Amino acid sequence: AQTVTQSQPEMSVQEAETVTLSCTYDTSESDYYLFWYKQPPSRQMILVIRQEAYKQQNATENRFSVNFQKAAKSFSLKISDSQLGDAAMYFCAYLHGSSNTGKLIFGQGTTLQVKP
Amino acid sequence: KAGVTQTPRYLIKTRGQQVTLSCSPISGHRSVSWYQQTPGQGLQFLFEYFSETQRNKGNFPGRFSGRQFSNSRSEMNVSTLELGDSALYLCASSLVFQGSYEQYFGPGTRLTVT
Repeated sequence: AQTVTQSQPEMSVQEAETVTLSCTYDTSESDYYLFWYKQPPSRQMILVIRQEAYKQQNATENRFSVNFQKAAKSFSLKISDSQLGDAAMYFCAYLHGSSNTGKLIFGQGTTLQVKP
Repeated sequence: KAGVTQTPRYLIKTRGQQVTLSCSPISGHRSVSWYQQTPGQGLQFLFEYFSETQRNKGNFPGRFSGRQFSNSRSEMNVSTLELGDSALYLCASSLVFQGSYEQYFGPGTRLTVT
């Protein structure tokens, strides 16, 4: 069975600085997708970034980028120029690709605090 | 496009009752997945529907059921509510076409069982 682990329950960063959130996963599959979701206090889950396992290039979305290390099964999220609005819980998630039965497997989440 | 909508947003029920939650996906999305979020267990997958068929089910008792209609709207039902069913219930829709598998979430339904 696939598992996703986020080993940092809480992180903090100074406004305008850079922070990296860690995620590791375990799977025997070769076809899968990885995602980072953000859940602010409103509880609305917001998709931040996605990465297809077959792509070697790391995904980037504005200030958000990932470091995808397939062999190490690691998928970290880097937030550059942190803003107060980035404060939220961040979830790493795995989706099996070829069967795609709509089952996201989530990590436990990392709460990010942004200090002004 | 309008996002995923869920109704009701908040619900208070008594133990033993049943409840139905509704989810309307983004227009054109055919897959709807449901998740339960609690402080203790985190985010757990309930089930997924695609073209009115349940394709996958999580490890939840049979009291949890769902269905999907021809317009892709989905409902989930919980019968004989227990205190432990108190949670945020999230639904997510996905296009599931040409490599577009990301899921977009609704605002959730907060269920409190007393």
